[in-house]
Amino acid sequence: AQKVTQAQTEISVVEKEDVTLDCVYETRDTTYYLFWYKQPPSGELVFLIRRNSFDEQNEISGRYSWNFQKSTSSFNFTITASQVVDSAVYFCALSYYNQGGKLIFGQGTELSVKP
Amino acid sequence: DVKVTQSSRYLVKRTGEKVFLECVQDMDHENMFWYRQDPGLGLRLIYFSYDVKMKEKGDIPEGYSVSREKKERFSLILESASTNQTSMYLCASSLGGEGYGYTFGSGTRLTVV
Repeated sequence: AQKVTQAQTEISVVEKEDVTLDCVYETRDTTYYLFWYKQPPSGELVFLIRRNSFDEQNEISGRYSWNFQKSTSSFNFTITASQVVDSAVYFCALSYYNQGGKLIFGQGTELSVKP
Repeated sequence: DVKVTQSSRYLVKRTGEKVFLECVQDMDHENMFWYRQDPGLGLRLIYFSYDVKMKEKGDIPEGYSVSREKKERFSLILESASTNQTSMYLCASSLGGEGYGYTFGSGTRLTVV
């Protein structure tokens, strides 16, 4: 079965703390893509990153970094020096071969960054 | 600026009403999707469409139908609204294929009373 699990329902941190959001996926396919989306209070999901299954390089974008490990089927997201504007719901998602781009989403992690 | 536009941000309807949620994209995307979002359940796929007049059921199609008469427009229809359909509804579009990801609309929060 294809599945995405975000075990952390809610996380609360104080500004400037580092925080890691976990994402574990299940798929039988060897070709697949993983995504992270951010949903701020305004409601619209915003694309953050896409990673294909053949590229295990970690990625850094400013304060954001992603750790993709096929050995543990994980694609974790770290925010360094968190800010209040990072407060949002974050979704991890999976798409796999021959499904027309359909995404399977995790349950989401609500991050609250307090000043 | 490319966009997916959902016609209503908030909607209140009565039980038994027929409800139309409209979604329009201006990116010439092939694929369009309707999800509902509920606390603790994430996003669940209701219906999707790969082309005009094409539709396929997602994971929770019961109580819903869709219409795609033009490439840019994908409508979600609640045939007879019920209180358990109170939710946030999200429309998305995609260029096609598994690597592209989605562009989302800002969502419609529907309350059925």
